[in-house]
This record gives sequence, C-alpha cells and structure tokens, in this order.
Amino acid sequence: GAGVSQSPSNKVTEKGKDVELRCDPISGHTALYWYRQSLGQGLEFLIYFQGNSAPDKSGLPSDRFSAERTGGSVSTLTIQRTQQEDSAVYLCASSPPGLASEQFFGPGTRLTVL
Amino acid sequence: QKEVEQDPGPLSVPEGAIVSLNCTYSNSAFQYFMWYRQYSRKGPELLMYTYSSGNKEDGRFTAQVDKSSKYISLFIRDSQPSDSATYLCACGNTGGFKTIFGAGTRLFVKA
Repeated sequence: GAGVSQSPSNKVTEKGKDVELRCDPISGHTALYWYRQSLGQGLEFLIYFQGNSAPDKSGLPSDRFSAERTGGSVSTLTIQRTQQEDSAVYLCASSPPGLASEQFFGPGTRLTVL
Repeated sequence: QKEVEQDPGPLSVPEGAIVSLNCTYSNSAFQYFMWYRQYSRKGPELLMYTYSSGNKEDGRFTAQVDKSSKYISLFIRDSQPSDSATYLCACGNTGGFKTIFGAGTRLFVKA
C-alpha cells in the first residue's frame, strides 16, 4: 500500500515568509509525528497527534511553529516568519494503533531559508 | 547528556565485512529499541524492532539489547555496498509515544 507522503519535497523561501508543509499518513494509522533533522543531527521531535486527543506540542521550538491534523488524517506544519536556523529536513511519520514505537516515515521536506 | 548516544562515524568497511553499530542510552524506562536505516535524501525506514533485552535476527541483520548495561547493537553480516547509509538507533517507553533517536552513524561499504 501507499506509504507516508509529504509535500513539497523541497521548499526554498526567504527569511520572514511563512511556509506550510503537508503530510499524508498511511491509511488507518492513528498516530502522526513531525520531526526536524538538521545536517549531522538526529531527529528532533516536534509534535505528536494521536486520534482525537489533544496534540503533544512539547517539542515545538517556538510559537512560530504550529501544526494541525484535519479529520484524523492529513497534517500541516506551519512555520511563520521563517528564520535561517529553520533550514532543515522536516520529516513526518505515522504509526498503527497500539504500536507507537513502530513509525513509518515519509521522504521529508527539505526547507531552505535564504 | 543526551538520552541516546550514538557515534556519528563515519564508519568505512570493505564489502563482506561484519559491521557493528552501537548506541548507549540513559533512561532505564526504555523498553522498545529500534534501528532505522536512512539513505541519502530519504526518510528513515524501520529495520529492526526489539522489545526488552535479547537478540533478534533478520537475514544478515542482528539486533542486540543489553538492558543491564543500557547498550544496544546492530550487526550486519556480509556487508554490501547497498548497506551504505546512515543507521539511527531509537528507544521508546512502554505505553508512551515519544521515541528518542540517536544522531545516526554513517556507514560506507566499499566494493
């Protein structure tokens, strides 16, 4: 079946602009995660959605970052007033019910802030 | 100190060698241990998944967990150039959702 998809695959923007990154999880997966991966760094947890529960936003680095998940499926990560330090690969993952540790990742969105 | 420590490498080995990749962790509550493989410009893919201590084998890959020393390993036998990638270890809690990833070890297998 189809895996996790993300769009766009690459995004170049100017400092100060807002960007939206999209994630389509695997059908039937109830959990959805956003991570950030900077060059040479591990995965930095950003936000977690589980079913209809309130999301865990504890990893969001600043109030410029927000995310929503509509209808328990598609998710959008929004970064307002982008800064150069926001440049990174943003990865989305989903996991099946009851198996939060088995995460399936999308290909990521490579964000470059000029 | 990071919760999960992993040597970033790079690690370069000849084709056919046995590769040993390792991580240490500090949180004794971790029960789930995973290894992900990430090719350049791709998302990580789940390679091995182990619950609690012990060994798990899948083809040329063996995952090993030693909870007493908080040490996890991935062994790759008969390594191939196609194994060249970054390998990330990850740990999770029972009933929790947060998975903590290591920084990843970059592996090069030379033909």
